[in-house]
Amino acid sequence: AQSVAQPEDQVNVAEGNPLTVKCTYSVSGNPYLFWYVQYPNRGLQFLLKYITGDNLVKGSYGFEAEFNKSQTSFHLKKPSALVSDSALYFCAVRDNNNDMRFGAGTRLTVKP
Amino acid sequence: DAGVIQSPRHEVTEMGQEVTLRCKPISGHNSLFWYRQTMMRGLELLIYFNNNVPIDDSGMPEDRFSAKMPNASFSTLKIQPSEPRDSAVYFCASSLTRGSQPQHFGDGTRLSIL
Repeated sequence: AQSVAQPEDQVNVAEGNPLTVKCTYSVSGNPYLFWYVQYPNRGLQFLLKYITGDNLVKGSYGFEAEFNKSQTSFHLKKPSALVSDSALYFCAVRDNNNDMRFGAGTRLTVKP
Repeated sequence: DAGVIQSPRHEVTEMGQEVTLRCKPISGHNSLFWYRQTMMRGLELLIYFNNNVPIDDSGMPEDRFSAKMPNASFSTLKIQPSEPRDSAVYFCASSLTRGSQPQHFGDGTRLSIL
């Protein structure tokens, strides 16, 4: 069975600095990897996905993620953080059996 | 396009009462998921439907919980009788049934059992 780990409960960065939210995965076969963001009192919103091809995936709101097969990682990145990026971020992995697993989430706080 | 629609947004009721949560998936999506989110346990998958048929209900915590999908545009999650430990935010999500497709979430129902 596949699984995903987000090793950091909380990430704090200053506005304008680059941010990274970490994710590692375990899956048999080819992984489909996703990042979601959750704002207060809202559902999870899809940010980006990796299916195949270029290891650097670009998504919504200036976010990108890098797929690293050798390290089984899919870290979320943004070159310059905004205060409005403060939210809860979830990494997820899905296989061809349609079984999707979410990480525990990482709370990102961007300080002015 | 309309997203996943859940109702009610908030529900407060006394323990022992029946609670029914409702979900309308995105039109054309053939997979539907019910999740529960709490501070202690994070996001938990309760049940998954494909083409209106329950495929995996291993996450349903107890017999007090039941879910139905009578047609492609409507699903319910029922708790009877409700208990205070059922208090959580319940999310419905839908997707196309292909591994590469993301799930689209509703804004949830915040359930409080007194």
